[in-house]
Amino acid sequence: AQKITQTQPGMFVQEKEAVTLDCTYDTSDPSYGLFWYKQPSSGEMIFLIYQGSYDQQNATEGRYSLNFQKARKSANLVISASQLGDSAMYFCAMRGKTGANNLFFGTGTRLTVIP
Amino acid sequence: DAGVIQSPRHEVTEMGQEVTLRCKPISGHDYLFWYRQTMMRGLELLIYFNNNVPIDDSGMPEDRFSAKMPNASFSTLKIQPSEPRDSAVYFCASSQAPADAYNEQFFGPGTRLTVL
Repeated sequence: AQKITQTQPGMFVQEKEAVTLDCTYDTSDPSYGLFWYKQPSSGEMIFLIYQGSYDQQNATEGRYSLNFQKARKSANLVISASQLGDSAMYFCAMRGKTGANNLFFGTGTRLTVIP
Repeated sequence: DAGVIQSPRHEVTEMGQEVTLRCKPISGHDYLFWYRQTMMRGLELLIYFNNNVPIDDSGMPEDRFSAKMPNASFSTLKIQPSEPRDSAVYFCASSQAPADAYNEQFFGPGTRLTVL
């Protein structure tokens, strides 16, 4: 069965600093995808970044990068140069087993950027 | 594209009443998902459709919940009768057919349901 674990209920970061949000996963499927979504206080879910299990390089999207360590089954999100608008809930998710297309979500990390 | 559209955005109803949530996916997307978000259980998948056909409804809590997708541009999630424990934010999401493991899901704004 798939499982996503986010062990940090809340994180604080100083504006302009970098922050790492942890995510570990468990799956027996050789092919899987890992996603990060942002949920601001307004409630919508915003896709940030994707990492495929066979990708050779860590994914990057602007200020977001994914520290993917396959052997350790971790996919940590790194946000560089934090901005006040980055304050939100962040969810790590994993695509379901091969042939399925649903996402399993972690419990989320609430990030607060301090001015 | 307008993105995934959900209605209503907010719904307050009394226990025992029927509730219908509506979703219009992004045009051209083959997959539609219904999720529920609560403080206690986080985000959980209720059901998803592929080409209007329900594929996995194992997350539907009980018989009080039903979902339909009569065509590619419309889906409903119905709760009958509603109970206070159904209070949650219900998200609809859609995606294109995945290439390999990639299938970014685009979420709607959600419907915040309160059952009194």
